[in-house]
Amino acid sequence: AQSVAQPEDQVNVAEGNPLTVKCTYSVSGNPYLFWYVQYPNRGLQFLLKYITGDNLVKGSYGFEAEFNKSQTSFHLKKPSALVSDSALYFCAVSPQGYSSASKIIFGSGTRLSIRP
Amino acid sequence: EAQVTQNPRYLITVTGKKLTVTCSQNMNHEYMSWYRQDPGLGLRQIYYSMNVEVTDKGDVPEGYKVSRKEKRNFPLILESPSPNQTSLYFCASSSKTGSFYGYTFGSGTRLTVV
Repeated sequence: AQSVAQPEDQVNVAEGNPLTVKCTYSVSGNPYLFWYVQYPNRGLQFLLKYITGDNLVKGSYGFEAEFNKSQTSFHLKKPSALVSDSALYFCAVSPQGYSSASKIIFGSGTRLSIRP
Repeated sequence: EAQVTQNPRYLITVTGKKLTVTCSQNMNHEYMSWYRQDPGLGLRQIYYSMNVEVTDKGDVPEGYKVSRKEKRNFPLILESPSPNQTSLYFCASSSKTGSFYGYTFGSGTRLTVV
């Protein structure tokens, strides 16, 4: 079965330190990969995507993600965390590529907490 | 402003009383979808629509109905709500190649069925 795993329910980081939110996937073919962020009482907001090309993708708010095909991972990173980064983060995978928009599989989410 | 609008934001209802959650997008997107979000389960797809009059089941369609009579609207209908449908619901839309560009999400509808 196709799936996305976010192994950590919560990640705690001190402000100014680097952060990593992990994501691994199990889908066939060459998937498209996404990260979304959800702030309290808000819908999901698009952060970044990987389609093809450079394995390091840069997105909004200083976030970046590294695609690793051999490890089927797409970890979200930021060099220096801010308290305002505290939110719920979702990894998502589209297993059908650009030919179809019918399916995006979401992970269970990781709550990122940045302490001052 | 390009957006997906859901209404209502909050809804408390009783078991068995039919309800509709509306969703409208102003981006001329072909593709629309409904998700429910539950703690520890992430987002699970309920129904999706590839275009007008074209809808299909997602992963958790039981107890829900949808319709797509117009491109901009994609209402979610609960004919006989039950407490296990208490959840946070999101509508999302994308262009035809939505997998490429990702979704635009509404702000969510928190539904409580008592």
